[in-house]
Amino acid sequence: EIVMTQSPATLSVSPGERATLSCRASESVSSNLAWYQQKPGQAPRVLMHGASTRATGIPARFSGSGSGTEFTLTISSLQSEDFAVYYCQHYHKRPYTFGQGTKLEIK
Amino acid sequence: EVQLVESGGGLVQPGGSVRLSCVASGFTFSNYDFHWVRQGPGKGLEWVSTIGTGDDTYYPDSVKGRLTISRENAKNSLFLQMNSLTAGDTAVYYCVREGTGWYFDLWGRGTLVTVSS
Repeated sequence: EIVMTQSPATLSVSPGERATLSCRASESVSSNLAWYQQKPGQAPRVLMHGASTRATGIPARFSGSGSGTEFTLTISSLQSEDFAVYYCQHYHKRPYTFGQGTKLEIK
Repeated sequence: EVQLVESGGGLVQPGGSVRLSCVASGFTFSNYDFHWVRQGPGKGLEWVSTIGTGDDTYYPDSVKGRLTISRENAKNSLFLQMNSLTAGDTAVYYCVREGTGWYFDLWGRGTLVTVSS
């Protein structure tokens, strides 16, 4: 199976600043990469798919990039509601595995 | 409203069994593949089963032989039969739809399974 590795495990950023989260795949997943956001006590929701396409209703401050094995999720100006845990997941071939998550916390 | 609603979780003794259910509404259930994804306390997301529109099923080695996913299209329902449970199976179990783009586009709120004596 393809192993997804996210870094860092925890990222401390001040509101209004930029956050950059990374995700690496153990082999190429092309652009078959999604990002999910999970807030405490809630189910995950999809933010990004196809590595760089925002899901319906996701603000433009979220952007995704990358292909192959290296991917990035960028939040351009952090809002209070953006502090959460973020997971990447490939859907290149079964099983569709997740990264271990990056916790974005307020600095 | 487009949604997935899980049920069936609760306290289960080690070695016991439980059957989770997920009812879908607001879309044509039979057109989609579905998954169960679990999250242990304070842990990340772990995929535990998949069922395709043709009833093809997939499991990780960690649960193969103990978990069985099934569906009943006539009732818009997804199921997860869990046997020989251990403390390691304690988690919130999410019912998840795989969208037409293959990513997981719809999640239920989850149902908590606690395995403890």
